[in-house]
Order: sequence, then structure tokens, then C-alpha cells
Amino acid sequence: AQKITQTQPGMFVQEKEAVTLDCTYDTSDQSYGLFWYKQPSSGEMIFLIYQGSYDEQNATEGRYSLNFQKARKSANLVISASQLGDSAMYFCAMRPISNFGNEKLTFGTGTRLTIIP
Amino acid sequence: DTGVSQNPRHKITKRGQNVTFRCDPISEHNRLYWYRQTLGQGPEFLTYFQNEAQLEKSRLLSDRFSAERPKGSFSTLEIQRTEQGDSAMYLCASSQGTGSSPLHFGNGTRLTVT
Repeated sequence: AQKITQTQPGMFVQEKEAVTLDCTYDTSDQSYGLFWYKQPSSGEMIFLIYQGSYDEQNATEGRYSLNFQKARKSANLVISASQLGDSAMYFCAMRPISNFGNEKLTFGTGTRLTIIP
Repeated sequence: DTGVSQNPRHKITKRGQNVTFRCDPISEHNRLYWYRQTLGQGPEFLTYFQNEAQLEKSRLLSDRFSAERPKGSFSTLEIQRTEQGDSAMYLCASSQGTGSSPLHFGNGTRLTVT
């Protein structure tokens, strides 16, 4: 079974500053994928970034980067130069990579990020 | 790519009534997922399909819940004899390929049971 822990229920960050959203996970799978999603107040879930457990380099997508520390089982999301439009709920999620059909994506409880002008 | 489409966006029903939601995935995606999300929580997995085969069901999916994907394209989620505890956002997602492929979500159906 997989478990995702996000310990920051809410964060307030000044516009243009960088922000780190914490995510730790627990799994017995050897191969897995880690995902971050953004959910604005409108409700849609927007995929942001992916990190595979065997990827040697940290993933980056524009202003988003993933600080992956496999030994510590952490996959923190870093948003550089935050913007007002970054205000949203952010969810960390994980999914096994296997040939056995267990493809459930498990989510954490989320962090509500508010960007202050 | 028109994205994942869910209908209706909102549904208000009286306790005890049956409701059915529809999800149209991205056309080339062979995997389709249903999730439930309550206020302030992350989405909880309900079930998923690969083509028309339902491969996994959560224990959250009681016998009042049934999902189908008859031709491997759109899917329906039916809740019979709704209860107030069923009030939630029901999210559908689709993906192509295995674990490294992200799920693409629809805008959800918000169910309110009165």
C-alpha cells in the first residue's frame, strides 16, 4: 500500500518569492512515479510535474521543480518566482509502476497555497 | 484533444434517489478512473478500467455504487439509494499507458444529497 503525507495544511507566501511544498511518501514498491497536481478554486485538477523513482535527475517544468530525495522518501515541489495565479490547493500523489495492473494513483491531503501581493 | 468531459457538473438529489454520472475520456486513452473528493481532502480512488474491463475497485465502492465502461470509451457511475454521506465531488480521469503517465482529470460532478 502507498501512503502520501503532506504536513502543511496551508502556506502564505509573498508574490515573487520561491515556495517549497513538502511531500513524503511510503511504499513497498521498487518502481513508482510521483506526481504533483494543482487544484484552483474552480475545481479542476491540473497535472504539474512527474518524477520517476529511477530518474537520476530532479524533474523540472518551467517554474516547477521537484526536489526528489529517494533515501528520505521525499518529493517536495518547488515553485520559483511565485505569482498570484499560483494560489490553489496542491496535491502530491504516487502510483506504482508495475506489470501487475496495480495502477491506482494515491493522493495526499493537500496544501493550500496563498500568494500575497 | 478536447480533454476529459464530465456530465452533469452539478447534481442535487433527495436521499434515496438514484443518480448516474457520465465521463467521456480523452479519446486515445485506454485507462479510465473514478475518484471521490470531499471538502478539504485529496481525491480518493474508487475504481478504474482498462478498456472495458474493470480492474480494481476500492472498498469505498459499496454495493450501492456501480461503474461501467461498456465499449471501452465513455463510462458511467451510478449511485443507488443515495445517502447524505455520498455528497462529494466525483472526479473522472483518463490516462494512456502505465505508471509514468499522468492522469488527466475532468472538472468533476458535484453531488449534493439533501
